[in-house]
Amino acid sequence: ETGVTQTPRHLVMGMTNKKSLKCEQHLGHNAMYWYKQSAKKPLELMFVYSLEERVENNSVPSRFSPECPNSSHLFLHLHTLQPEDSALYLCASSQDVSGSTDTQYFGPGTRLTVL
Amino acid sequence: AQTVTQSQPEMSVQEAETVTLSCTYDTSESDYYLFWYKQPPSRQMILVIRQEAYKQQNATENRFSVNFQKAAKSFSLKISDSQLGDAAMYFCAYRSAFAGNTPLVFGKGTRLSVIA
Repeated sequence: ETGVTQTPRHLVMGMTNKKSLKCEQHLGHNAMYWYKQSAKKPLELMFVYSLEERVENNSVPSRFSPECPNSSHLFLHLHTLQPEDSALYLCASSQDVSGSTDTQYFGPGTRLTVL
Repeated sequence: AQTVTQSQPEMSVQEAETVTLSCTYDTSESDYYLFWYKQPPSRQMILVIRQEAYKQQNATENRFSVNFQKAAKSFSLKISDSQLGDAAMYFCAYRSAFAGNTPLVFGKGTRLSVIA
């Protein structure tokens, strides 16, 4: 148990649907991250939040919309997705964004399939 | 930009034997951190071991150890006395130590199979 939970674990959606992924960390961390893991590709960082403020957005399409209402929760709102968006979406947290204690702890991920 | 390369897409090892997973990286920075993460079928990313670039001594965690060669920009993971539970995807990752440069840069991973 790493202290980072994600729901749902599996999600199948059509291209016109709107859904949200949820991440919660119980570690008292200040930074949270969304990653995309596609088959046979390196992990891709999507968004970084520090103390509920977005500090990085790696050229992610606007059909992905993050939300961080507090330092323990992170959402990824999805709408009008494409089949190529099918992937494992991983959430992670760390104590700080730029501190020396920089180890990121990952959630189990949400397996997303876009039909 | 930093890159991380894992040249072995798949590896296998006999139970109780030793296996080494390779990782090389490219950076112009002098201070950084290196990590090995394990992702079992459950998909949970688990930190296996980490190394600070300024430390010459190789990190060790029980059966897991690294061979960190800073000049060669190499960071291999050695798993001793391999167990069935070690079967997983292993990701090598890099992170700059400079403030504000946050994200982990991952390699593509190595799938490790353990043969009973």
